[in-house]
Amino acid sequence: GNSVTQMEGPVTLSEEAFLTINCTYTATGYPSLFWYVQYPGEGLQLLLKATKADDKGSNKGFEATYRKETTSFHLEKGSVQVSDSAVYFCALSYLTGGGNKLTFGTGTQLKVEL
Amino acid sequence: AAGVIQSPRHLIKEKRETATLKCYPIPRHDTVYWYQQGPGQDPQFLISFYEKMQSDKGSIPDRFSAQQFSDYHSELNMSSLELGDSALYFCASRASPAYEQYFGPGTRLTVT
Repeated sequence: GNSVTQMEGPVTLSEEAFLTINCTYTATGYPSLFWYVQYPGEGLQLLLKATKADDKGSNKGFEATYRKETTSFHLEKGSVQVSDSAVYFCALSYLTGGGNKLTFGTGTQLKVEL
Repeated sequence: AAGVIQSPRHLIKEKRETATLKCYPIPRHDTVYWYQQGPGQDPQFLISFYEKMQSDKGSIPDRFSAQQFSDYHSELNMSSLELGDSALYFCASRASPAYEQYFGPGTRLTVT
């Protein structure tokens, strides 16, 4: 079946440090890939997406590139802020008759300190 | 911009009771999804509806049922509640053919 694997957290960084959160997936065909962010006590917010190989999704300084050859979708940000502290979920879905359900990774908690 | 609305935000029930969670999708979104997120876990897909018809089913217990109504709102009915049902329940909506799902703030269900 389809699955998503993320690096375990928590990841603790100092403000302005470079961030990488690794995400790899196992799936057949060509899924769409997403990063969602969950702030404490809140719902999931779509951060960025990529729908085909070599697509780069970007938003709020975060980027991720859909790498089919390595089945990866790593999240990066050049300079993190304290306000980026949250849990980040990598996810995949297929836009087919199956209804486009999301399969999530286990989430990676990011803590950014001053 | 309008977002997905879920009610109630918090719910406390005892074992063997029933609970009903409601979801109001973003206007003009035709697809609704329900997910369950246990403590420290990733969200798990339960069930989805497209144009008021069930479109996909995940790991939803037989004790749970759901439907989507003519105004596109959806309800998740949970009976014979167990301690293990304590979780955050998220609803998400989508406007096909777009890929993105937009999540509500969730309902935190606590079963005692």
